[in-house]
Amino acid sequence: AAGVIQSPRHLIKEKRETATLKCYPIPRHDTVYWYQQGPGQDPQFLISFYEKMQSDKGSIPDRFSAQQFSDYHSELNMSSLELGDSALYFCASSLQGSRYGYTFGSGTRLTVV
Amino acid sequence: AQKVTQAQTEISVVEKEDVTLDCVYETRDTTYYLFWYKQPPSGELVFLIRRNSFDEQNEISGRYSWNFQKSTSSFNFTITASQVVDSAVYFCALSEAQAGTALIFGKGTTLSVSS
Repeated sequence: AAGVIQSPRHLIKEKRETATLKCYPIPRHDTVYWYQQGPGQDPQFLISFYEKMQSDKGSIPDRFSAQQFSDYHSELNMSSLELGDSALYFCASSLQGSRYGYTFGSGTRLTVV
Repeated sequence: AQKVTQAQTEISVVEKEDVTLDCVYETRDTTYYLFWYKQPPSGELVFLIRRNSFDEQNEISGRYSWNFQKSTSSFNFTITASQVVDSAVYFCALSEAQAGTALIFGKGTTLSVSS
C-alpha cells in the first residue's frame, strides 16, 4: 500500500538559508499534518491542512509557512534558518480526521550548520 | 485542552521481563482517540494501536497488550517477555474527533531491553 512520502530524507543547510520540505499524502487522504521533533523530544505539532485549507495551528514559528496544493501534496517552507531548527520533520496524513488513524512519513532530517 | 502524560522517562529491563508503560490523558471531549507509537533508533514512527473513547475493551496482539480505563483516564501498554528489539522510545498520543485536529503526543518513554 502507498505510504506518506517525504522528501528529501536528509537536508543540510547553513544558518539564515531557506529550506523547503515536501510531503505527498496517501491518496484520498484529506488532511496533512506537519510535526517537528527535536533531539530527545516528542513530536511537536506545527500546522495542518484539511481539504487544502489550514485547519489547525500549533507552535509554528513565524519564519515557517506551509501550504497544501490542489493535488493534496504539502510543502513546509522555512526561512532564516537557525541552529535550533535542526530536527526531524514528520508529515502525516489522515482521512476524516482521526477516525481512521494517522499515517506518518519517514521524516526529513534537517541539519542547520 | 488536551494533554498526555507519560510519567516514566526511561525504563530498563532484562530480556524476558514484562514491562508496562503508563499513559494518562486529559481531554474535555467525549469522543477522542488514543494511540501508541514506537520510535526505534532509526527514527520512524511506527503505529502500534488506535483506540476510540467508546471502546474500553482491552486488546492483546502477540506480546503486546493495552489496558484502557476511562475512569482513571489511562491507556497503559504492556510488553510481555520483552526482547532486545523492543528497545525504542514509545509515545502515547491523543486526538479529538474533529477533522483536521492534530495528534498530541506525550513526552515518550525510552525502553531499553538488555540481553
